[in-house]
Amino acid sequence: GIQVEQSPPDLILQEGANSTLRCNFSDSVNNLQWFHQNPWGQLINLFYIPSGTKQNGRLSATTVATERYSLLYISSSQTTDSGVYFCAVDPTSGTYKYIFGTGTRLKVLA
Amino acid sequence: DGGITQSPKYLFRKEGQNVTLSCEQNLNHDAMYWYRQDPGQGLRLIYYSQIVNDFQKGDIAEGYSVSREKKESFPLTVTSAQKNPTAFYLCASSIRADKGAIYNEQFFGPGTRLTVL
Repeated sequence: GIQVEQSPPDLILQEGANSTLRCNFSDSVNNLQWFHQNPWGQLINLFYIPSGTKQNGRLSATTVATERYSLLYISSSQTTDSGVYFCAVDPTSGTYKYIFGTGTRLKVLA
Repeated sequence: DGGITQSPKYLFRKEGQNVTLSCEQNLNHDAMYWYRQDPGQGLRLIYYSQIVNDFQKGDIAEGYSVSREKKESFPLTVTSAQKNPTAFYLCASSIRADKGAIYNEQFFGPGTRLTVL
């Protein structure tokens, strides 16, 4: 089955710094989402982005489907950005089953 | 206010007991999903349902059962056959999925933390 790898696994930043999180996937996909899991466990939708580029405030994401990767950019990071960021992909096999990566754990220091 | 609700938030179970976790959505979504998350890990799919009265096993279905009698509801039962049930359980839904449709954005509930005593 499809493999989803996220890097880096852990990231520590000072408040105000920028960062790039990467998601590589091993096969073509119909759907791709980025989520932020807050300290209480809630998964928050950041982007639905099977291809192209989107921006939402300090966050933006780019998916290059032909090269099988997606990037999540966080600019001017804040302590509230801390948590785990997951990439999830739905392969083109038509099963509508998302496969999650193992996540990037981000800690932003004040 | 549309969304996905899960109850209870915390659940404690004695060994040998079955417990049922509730998941309700008022988003008029066709598809619903149950995931399990262990500490420091990603999410793994337990069961999913693309339409009422139909559901499929995910990657780790052993020891779990589900039903889908109503579009809004997708309860998960953790049976005594599940060897390591202590985990965080997340329910999701997506609008899905006529055959051939591609768009399938998922939305998640707040989760239930299950602890076996």
